[in-house]
Amino acid sequence: QVQLQESGPGLVKPSETLSLTCTVSGGSVSSRSYYWSWIRQPPGKGLEWIGYISYSGSTNYNPSLKSRVTISVDTSKNQFSLKLSSVTAADTAVYYCAKDHGSAWFFDYWGQGTLVTVSS
Amino acid sequence: QSVLTQPPSASGTPGQRVTISCSGSRSNIGSNTVNWYQQLPGTAPKLLIYSNNQRPSGVPDRFSGSKSGTSASLAISGLQSEDEADYYCAAWDDSLNGGVFGGGTKLTVL
Repeated sequence: QVQLQESGPGLVKPSETLSLTCTVSGGSVSSRSYYWSWIRQPPGKGLEWIGYISYSGSTNYNPSLKSRVTISVDTSKNQFSLKLSSVTAADTAVYYCAKDHGSAWFFDYWGQGTLVTVSS
Repeated sequence: QSVLTQPPSASGTPGQRVTISCSGSRSNIGSNTVNWYQQLPGTAPKLLIYSNNQRPSGVPDRFSGSKSGTSASLAISGLQSEDEADYYCAAWDDSLNGGVFGGGTKLTVL
């Protein structure tokens, strides 16, 4: 059973960089079959896919966020990370990490989510 | 404005059958498989249906999915109070080269 856990600051100042880490257990980020994704949900709103990374480090980002997003993987720690730069209040959301099934693009395991608030 | 269009709300009484629609375009639903997620209040989304009509292990067969052209539907039969949740459809979009979600449908069990 794969488990994912997000961690990182719950409060980020406007214009700064949001940084989150997802620790994976019960599975390996080095698996060639899967991708590892970030998804967010503003309070009271719907889901938005941010992007994914593969075991090899190849990435694909939501075009609307591409200029500000970096997703990286640390196979030695079995973790992957999200950096979102130049944040504004509109980036306030619950951020989820998830295991992406890859070619069929569905998320079969999710972290519990972490709320990140952008405020001075 | 979401790329995939869902009704904002749906409702039914216990035991009833309800359907939730998801409308897209040729570049997303028309070209790729559709997945559905259930989000209970205060929790992370859970995969409900993948590849249009496949149920993960543990999902009751009361839940079923279908796709036709550029639209998809989620059907819930024998509605139960614990089905009260938000439901999201999702698909890959070849034009955007990215994944897209519907805006979500809040299901109320009356």
